[in-house]
Amino acid sequence: KQEVTQIPAALSVPEGENLVLNCSFTDSAIYNLQWFRQDPGKGLTSLLLIQSSQREQTSGRLNASLDKSSGRSTLYIAASQPGDSATYLCAVRRGQGGSEKLVFGKGTKLTVNP
Amino acid sequence: GAGVSQSPRYKVAKRGQDVALRCDPISGHVSLFWYQQALGQGPEFLTYFQNEAQLDKSGLPSDRFFAERPEGSVSTLKIQRTQQEDSAVYLCASKSGSGTDTQYFGPGTRLTVL
Repeated sequence: KQEVTQIPAALSVPEGENLVLNCSFTDSAIYNLQWFRQDPGKGLTSLLLIQSSQREQTSGRLNASLDKSSGRSTLYIAASQPGDSATYLCAVRRGQGGSEKLVFGKGTKLTVNP
Repeated sequence: GAGVSQSPRYKVAKRGQDVALRCDPISGHVSLFWYQQALGQGPEFLTYFQNEAQLDKSGLPSDRFFAERPEGSVSTLKIQRTQQEDSAVYLCASKSGSGTDTQYFGPGTRLTVL
């Protein structure tokens, strides 16, 4: 059974700092991995999606890497801003041919202080 | 519509009551997913439709949970004889059938069972 773990559970940083969020998964037979952002009382917003054949994806100040063989992904946020404060969730989709369901970690709650 | 919508946004039910939660996916999206998110946890998969066909219902926690999507667009998640442990946010997501793997999430329905 696929399990996804995110470390740390919570993180508080001053504005402007670069930071890394970690995600690990137990079954390396994944189809893709996604990073989402969740604001309080709201749904999830997709930030980056990495296919299993890719090593990284970038969008603005965000960079996500994937090491499928070791079961790890990182989300790098450059020059953090207070508006980045949210819970960040990592999710994996099982290898092609299986269900399209996503398996989520519990998330990292990020607070960026002005 | 512009995004996935869910109704009601908040529902309070007395233990033992039946509830029905509605999801309106993005127009034309083929796939529709239901997830359950308990407080402080990541979303957990409940069930998945492709058009009107329910392809995976392995995450439904008991036979009190039932989902349908009769015309391949709007979906309803029904919970019979609600229990306190059913209290959670129920998230709906939809995905286009063509080429993209990104799931687009609605704002969720927060269910509180007293």
